[in-house]
Amino acid sequence: RKEVEQDPGPFNVPEGATVAFNCTYSNSASQSFFWYRQDCRKEPKLLMSVYSSGNEDGRFTAQLNRASQYISLLIRDSKLSDSATYLCVVNMGDYKLSFGAGTTVTVRA
Amino acid sequence: GAVVSQHPSWVICKSGTSVKIECRSLDFQATTMFWYRQFPKQSLMLMATSNEGSKATYEQGVEKDKFLINHASLTLSTLTVTSAHPEDSSFYICSASRQGMAYEQYFGPGTRLTVT
Repeated sequence: RKEVEQDPGPFNVPEGATVAFNCTYSNSASQSFFWYRQDCRKEPKLLMSVYSSGNEDGRFTAQLNRASQYISLLIRDSKLSDSATYLCVVNMGDYKLSFGAGTTVTVRA
Repeated sequence: GAVVSQHPSWVICKSGTSVKIECRSLDFQATTMFWYRQFPKQSLMLMATSNEGSKATYEQGVEKDKFLINHASLTLSTLTVTSAHPEDSSFYICSASRQGMAYEQYFGPGTRLTVT
């Protein structure tokens, strides 16, 4: 079983729509959680960390459910520039990051 | 702050040759650097972790004699793909972290290697 699993999508949404997706992680000892954004042929960039109480950064909201071992990302009022692959990343408490394969979001005009 | 550069950004080489990729932290001292590989539509896979001045720690299944890593200073790590073959063609990405903050990694722009 993969350490981090994501629905690959693609999620194809119109501008202004809300889109949400999850990822699941296998190791219950995981301590830190992140969402990264990766544009085509580019490096991943940190979008936001995910805290136990849930957190919001502008149009982006992240939630963590430790009991069910999943993390979610919700994007409100989607912009064309939100089109990217979103990577779910989990840290086990050591220095290693485990990456999901990514969820592709395409926002159309 | 926290800018990481990689050089070259892309390289094409012939089978059997060796390729060196540089990873530099431009505005901070990176006690730990990480090397990842990403195949199309797949997740980043950690290849190895290097700490300045010590030998790299390789992940299971990664050949240390094929992927030579040197972390000679607090701002530079190099990955050399020796005797490259077409199956080594991939996107190689490095990341760097500050001392005591290994989970906060800053990524380089990546190097796309094509072996013909």
